[in-house]
Amino acid sequence: GESVGLHLPTLSVQEGDNSIINCAYSNSASDYFIWYKQESGKGPQFIIDIRSNMDKRQGQRVTVLLNKTVKHLSLQIAATQPGDSAVYFCAENSGYSTLTFGKGTMLLVSP
Amino acid sequence: DTGVSQDPRHKITKRGQNVTFRCDPISEHNRLYWYRQTLGQGPEFLTYFQNEAQLEKSRLLSDRFSAERPKGSFSTLEIQRTEQGDSAMYLCASNDRGLDTQYFGPGTRLTVL
Repeated sequence: GESVGLHLPTLSVQEGDNSIINCAYSNSASDYFIWYKQESGKGPQFIIDIRSNMDKRQGQRVTVLLNKTVKHLSLQIAATQPGDSAVYFCAENSGYSTLTFGKGTMLLVSP
Repeated sequence: DTGVSQDPRHKITKRGQNVTFRCDPISEHNRLYWYRQTLGQGPEFLTYFQNEAQLEKSRLLSDRFSAERPKGSFSTLEIQRTEQGDSAMYLCASNDRGLDTQYFGPGTRLTVL
């Protein structure tokens, strides 16, 4: 079946750097995408979302980019902080009520 | 705290025992979802409710699993005759009809010995 996936399982950055986490999706019918952050032992925490009629959306220190041509989603975190260390998941909604998650990327931020 | 809550946070049981988990969604949310997450993987959908109606079930939800939401508020997920393969984090999420963003609880970590 169609699925959401990630290019990199682990990303290591220095504090203050910008981080980019990528996600590839294959379901062209997906019209809504979400990025979640999950810290160890906790549930996923909503970060930012984007609809398929947009190609960019900005939040506080985070930006999500959507490229529908190549079915690619990215999360950019500006001035990465140690508190940003976590596993990041992208998820898609293809018009039904459920979310399909990718496998996750672990972000490690060194002080 | 008005977020999604789950109880218990951790459960250790022996193979063959039954376990039940509870989820309390955000109070104004009428949709409630259950997901399962194994180590290193993203959450996988199990089932969801709109009010008290169970509208969709994943093929992952075997006959040993049952979920209820009798009054359209809290929900319970029961696993009968647990197996070691049931060991996972069980996550609950909620949202309001018409809104796509799902908000997750802290999860219940199940360990089957």
